[in-house]
Amino acid sequence: DSGVTQTPKHLITATGQRVTLRCSPRSGDLSVYWYQQSLDQGLQFLIQYYNGEERAKGNILERFSAQQFPDLHSELNLSSLELGDSALYFCASSVAQGLAGLLDTQYFGPGTRLTVL
Amino acid sequence: AQSVTQPDIHITVSEGASLELRCNYSYGATPYLFWYVQSPGQGLQLLLKYFSGDTLVQGIKGFEAEFKRSQSSFNLRKPSVHWSDAAEYFCAVGASRQGAQKLVFGQGTRLTINP
Repeated sequence: DSGVTQTPKHLITATGQRVTLRCSPRSGDLSVYWYQQSLDQGLQFLIQYYNGEERAKGNILERFSAQQFPDLHSELNLSSLELGDSALYFCASSVAQGLAGLLDTQYFGPGTRLTVL
Repeated sequence: AQSVTQPDIHITVSEGASLELRCNYSYGATPYLFWYVQSPGQGLQLLLKYFSGDTLVQGIKGFEAEFKRSQSSFNLRKPSVHWSDAAEYFCAVGASRQGAQKLVFGQGTRLTINP
């Protein structure tokens, strides 16, 4: 158990809908990361937040957005869903934001499996 | 830009046999390298990481990896596999710049263990 929790575990919805995925980082971790794992694209970095502020963006679609709240939990919002958005969405957390060029170890949650029908 | 190549999509070994999973990376500076394992229906668990120093890195579950700069490789090894090692293995390279951190993953290698 990494200490990172994600809810829900599974989500089934229809095209055009909007969903929210939730992540609670490990106790004491200030950075949260979101990744998407799909069969065709593999594991892709979406976005990073540190202490409530966006720090890095990856291959995140404009239909997707995220935020990190004062209690450090994070939500990933996916809107106007398409069939191709079906994937496993992982949240990870780390202690800090990589100060002085160092890279923190990221600890991953169990993921949310999204199925768009 | 960073990239990771795991040349083997699927590997099958017999229980008790040795294992080597290949990973090649592309990165301009000294890389941060990781191996993660994903069991069916589970999240990713960190096996080991390389930041600097000794190029032979020991990890959990009896795994080790060797960083070879000249070959841009970070291959994962285990002397004797167990049936419980059946999983998908991901190599990743990371970078940190002004607080922005990013991991780039390879496509993964699925490991099957024959009894």
